[in-house]
Amino acid sequence: NAGVTQTPKFQVLKTGQSMTLQCAQDMNHEYMSWYRQDPGMGLRLIHYSVGAGITDQGEVPNGYNVSRSTTEDFPLRLLSAAPSQTSVYFCASSYSLVVTGELFFGEGSRLTVL
Amino acid sequence: GDSVTQMEGPVTLSEEACLTINCTYTATGYPSLFWYVQYPGEGLQLLLKATKADDKGSNKGFEATYRKETTSFHLEKGSVQVSDSAVYFCALSDWYNNNDMRFGAGTRLTVKP
Repeated sequence: NAGVTQTPKFQVLKTGQSMTLQCAQDMNHEYMSWYRQDPGMGLRLIHYSVGAGITDQGEVPNGYNVSRSTTEDFPLRLLSAAPSQTSVYFCASSYSLVVTGELFFGEGSRLTVL
Repeated sequence: GDSVTQMEGPVTLSEEACLTINCTYTATGYPSLFWYVQYPGEGLQLLLKATKADDKGSNKGFEATYRKETTSFHLEKGSVQVSDSAVYFCALSDWYNNNDMRFGAGTRLTVKP
């Protein structure tokens, strides 16, 4: 039972490089989201999606792009990495925002931008 | 906007001690409240939740009561174990007004044998 799978788990980039963090879930959840976790700041929402073809910005969207072509996948793209994007990134999904409110998290992706 | 404030850590306790982690919230609507736990090297997982005022969430010996009058959702456990060592996050969601969940900064708990 895979749940939410994120890859890669670790990544080091140089300033200006681009990369994609992958997220896949096998629970047929409509809602998917990306958070970043920074010390002393908890988790902050980057982007979210309420279904295939629908995405929207969260609290800290600048520097990140997302797309949702299928229910299962929700990749996060960094077009030109900056040191301020050094963080741990979590993908999360939910069956129903209204019914359960529960988020299921991946194990995280630690990104370092030099 | 909606927000969550929880007590700063780290918190260090001896095994079998009592635990309280304070959490207060600010919300314009009628949010649901959650406690999530993050064990080392893992993602967050739901510990307990409460969806309306006066509800009590409980799981694994942990409890929290949704107090609308004090806008609080404090996490309590009567006797902690070494295996409870983790980071605990208080969170709220008001899905009708915002399509997201707001998290507190997290409180790291270390339980010593």
